[in-house]
Amino acid sequence: SAVISQKPSRDICQRGTSLTIQCQVDSQVTMMFWYRQQPGQSLTLIATANQGSEATYESGFVIDKFPISRPNLTFSTLTVSNMSPEDSSIYLCSVEDGLAGATDTQYFGPGTRLTVL
Amino acid sequence: AQSVAQPEDQVNVAEGNPLTVKCTYSVSGNPYLFWYVQYPNRGLQFLLKYITGDNLVKGSYGFEAEFNKSQTSFHLKKPSALVSDSALYFCAVRLETGGFKTIFGAGTRLFVKA
Repeated sequence: SAVISQKPSRDICQRGTSLTIQCQVDSQVTMMFWYRQQPGQSLTLIATANQGSEATYESGFVIDKFPISRPNLTFSTLTVSNMSPEDSSIYLCSVEDGLAGATDTQYFGPGTRLTVL
Repeated sequence: AQSVAQPEDQVNVAEGNPLTVKCTYSVSGNPYLFWYVQYPNRGLQFLLKYITGDNLVKGSYGFEAEFNKSQTSFHLKKPSALVSDSALYFCAVRLETGGFKTIFGAGTRLFVKA
C-alpha cells in the first residue's frame, strides 16, 4: 500500500489569505484525489488530479477557489484561496493502488486540519 | 440515485462482545464495496473490500463483512470487540461510471467499553 504524507498537518489562518497543502506519495500513482471532511463527518470529493492534465472538479468546487497542481506522479498540492471561516475543515489527499479501475483501493494521507479565523 | 447508507450514527458495544456496523447500498451495475476506519486525528485506513466471489470478506484487525445481494447490504462484523476498535467507520461504494468515483457513507462511530 502507498504511504502518503501531507504538509502542514494543521494550520490556523486569517480570512482572505491562502494556504497550500502538499501531498507526497512514496510511489508513482496515476490518480490523486483531494477530499474535504468536517470533523466526525463524511468525505466530500473536491477534485481528481491526474499528472499532466487539468484537475477535474466536483460540483460546488471551482478551480479559482481550489487550484490544484500535479507536477509529477508522486506529488500534488491543493490551495485553498481567499479563505473564509466556512473553509475550516480537514483536507485529505488520497491515491489509488491500481490503474483507475473500479476495484481499486484508496489510501489516504493523515489530513490537514485547517481553521480559518 | 446511487448511494450508501449507514443507518446508525453510533454503535456501543462491550469489550469481548460481537459487533456489527450496518451498511446498505443502492447502485446500478456491480457493487464494489469497501470499509474504511478512521482513528482520531488520522486519515482513513482500508479495512476490506468486496469485489466478487465469496460473500464473506475478511479484512484487517479481525474484521469481516458479509455481502448480501438480496438485502443490498454489506455489514461490518467482528466476533469479539476490543477497546482499540473504537473509531469512525465508513462504508463506501465504488461506481463504474463517472470515472470510478467513490461514494462514502455518513460514517458510524463505534464505542467499545471496557
